[in-house]
Amino acid sequence: DAGVTQSPTHLIKTRGQQVTLRCSPKSGHDTVSWYQQALGQGPQFIFQYYEEEERQRGNFPDRFSGHQFPNYSSELNVNALLLGDSALYLCASSLGGMNTEAFFGQGTRLTVV
Amino acid sequence: KQEVTQIPAALSVPEGENLVLNCSFTDSAIYNLQWFRQDPGKGLTSLLLIQSSQREQTSGRLNASLDKSSGRSTLYIAASQPGDSATYLCAVDPSGSNYQLIWGAGTKLIIKP
Repeated sequence: DAGVTQSPTHLIKTRGQQVTLRCSPKSGHDTVSWYQQALGQGPQFIFQYYEEEERQRGNFPDRFSGHQFPNYSSELNVNALLLGDSALYLCASSLGGMNTEAFFGQGTRLTVV
Repeated sequence: KQEVTQIPAALSVPEGENLVLNCSFTDSAIYNLQWFRQDPGKGLTSLLLIQSSQREQTSGRLNASLDKSSGRSTLYIAASQPGDSATYLCAVDPSGSNYQLIWGAGTKLIIKP
């Protein structure tokens, strides 16, 4: 079991550009959540996808969008990048339903210059 | 609004000591609480998950307790080792469906050889 995998591991983008981050969930998991973690802080919830639909969304602007594919993998897209978008982006997978454990990938370190 | 606090923000202890990390939350209406470990610049590794109906969970040298009524959880690490050095984060799940984990900022632990 490869666990949750994210790509790329590191990324440098220029202000105003667009970026796509990818996540493959743990085998058997159908739910993917995305988090943004600034340096020295806990993760902040961006949104969650289940059955190819956004099920819940945190307090992030519409510049942040996502998608879930039939194989349960997911993408996070960020448009019009700002310097403040520089962070570690974490993907977590879980099995839809109550009280299930979330498993995290290693994250994508995004630097906006 | 649920808030999660971890004190202290940093802790340095000699190898071999037993130690306790603290996590407090303001709203006792939670479905579960998870403890995670994060190595510098890396993703999150789930350590223990405690359901709201449970009082504690154990895994190897780790023991996590939960007191919902007082809004507190502790992570006990026995016989600490240098390899335990990392940031430890706790997260509560208020909905039971992993909709939006709410996180503490973490405790940075350094175990001195």
